[in-house]
Amino acid sequence: GAGVSQSPRYKVAKRGQDVALRCDPISGHVSLFWYQQALGQGPEFLTYFQNEAQLDKSGLPSDRFFAERPEGSVSTLKIQRTQQEDSAVYLCASSLVHTGGLHFGNGTRLTVT
Amino acid sequence: GENVEQHPSTLSVQEGDSAVIKCTYSDSASNYFPWYKQELGKRPQLIIDIRSNVGEKKDQRIAVTLNKTAKHFSLHITETQPEDSAVYFCAAMSNAGNMLTFGGGTRLMVKP
Repeated sequence: GAGVSQSPRYKVAKRGQDVALRCDPISGHVSLFWYQQALGQGPEFLTYFQNEAQLDKSGLPSDRFFAERPEGSVSTLKIQRTQQEDSAVYLCASSLVHTGGLHFGNGTRLTVT
Repeated sequence: GENVEQHPSTLSVQEGDSAVIKCTYSDSASNYFPWYKQELGKRPQLIIDIRSNVGEKKDQRIAVTLNKTAKHFSLHITETQPEDSAVYFCAAMSNAGNMLTFGGGTRLMVKP
């Protein structure tokens, strides 16, 4: 069956530009997570949704980062006024129940020049 | 919050040997411990997981052990093969289920 789908696969942005990253979770998965993975490091938690409710956004590094999941399915991570330190792979993951195993997408590799 | 430490950061073994990766966690409320394998440029893939109500779980050449008292868990891969070469991440999830905290990763290299 279809897994977690993320788009775009690669994104190059000039410093100061806004970007929007999309995540299509596995159908029926209640929980959705966004992670940031810098080169050579483990994924770092950004935010968590249960259906359309954003229950935890403690990992968002600044107020330039915003995530939404308005209908409890597709989610968008928006980064405003991108900075070079935002360059990373942004991973989306979903799970059927909130304590279940996470299924990751292939990620969006963001490069800010 | 939860803190997960993983060792070693790199591990090189000969094909056919065993590999062991160890992790410690700080939050005693954590009760779910998955392991992910990530090949270069690809998504992390769940390979095995364990919950806090069991001490060991095995799936073919892969096993995971959990010591709740000491707050550490380990991944064991037996009869390693070149295709096992990848970065492996351990993780811990709290009872609230709202955050999976990852270790820093172990780069495993299996030499043919």
